[in-house]
Amino acid sequence: QSVLTQPPSASGTPGQRVTISCSGSSSNIGSNTVNWYQQLPGTAPKLLIYSNNQRPSGVPDRFSGSKSGTSASLAISGLQSEDEADYYCAAWDDSLNVVVFGGGTKLTVL
Amino acid sequence: QVQLVQSGAEVKKPGASVKVSCKASGYTFTGYYMHWVRQAPGQGLEWMGWINPNSGGTNYAQKFQGRVTMTRDTSISTAYMELSRLRSDDTAVYYCARVEDTAMVNGGDYWGQGTLVTVSS
Repeated sequence: QSVLTQPPSASGTPGQRVTISCSGSSSNIGSNTVNWYQQLPGTAPKLLIYSNNQRPSGVPDRFSGSKSGTSASLAISGLQSEDEADYYCAAWDDSLNVVVFGGGTKLTVL
Repeated sequence: QVQLVQSGAEVKKPGASVKVSCKASGYTFTGYYMHWVRQAPGQGLEWMGWINPNSGGTNYAQKFQGRVTMTRDTSISTAYMELSRLRSDDTAVYYCARVEDTAMVNGGDYWGQGTLVTVSS
């Protein structure tokens, strides 16, 4: 049972826009920044969004993040086949004193 | 370019210990924290803790307290994560990640390729 809640799966067709939600509480998302990671099969996680809505250099602007209250979301526009991956949200938790992750969302491009 | 290269896969028996290394290059090793995250087969990510390569200071998730030890050797820009009293549920891929701070506020911007540790009798 993950501290941050994500839908286990999401899907879309090429060119579509999809969003992935991440729900937490006042001790994590509510008081700290959210980061998003993309994990392609068999590879290490890659930082996709940091500090709620910032993209590291090299990440296409098709990827965007937002946060409101105790929830965050990742949006992917202009969906491409290479976006098929697992996506994880993460944040520091002030009560548990750990970095907490969502359970991950498997994105399928139909 | 920044690189984190981890040691190879390990197979251990229950009760044994494993030590995974993470060699950093392309940046000032002592300028960033090194966090460790693991991922059991088919499961999500789990944070284990961090080491400050500059001071050697550490912080471990309570779940691993007493079983995990993170160390570093600044002369070879390498961080280590040792996990003792291994159990079958410690079977996972272990990752090191370069991080600016203790709480991963801005995330881990570079990750090692991962080290599979299999615990089996």
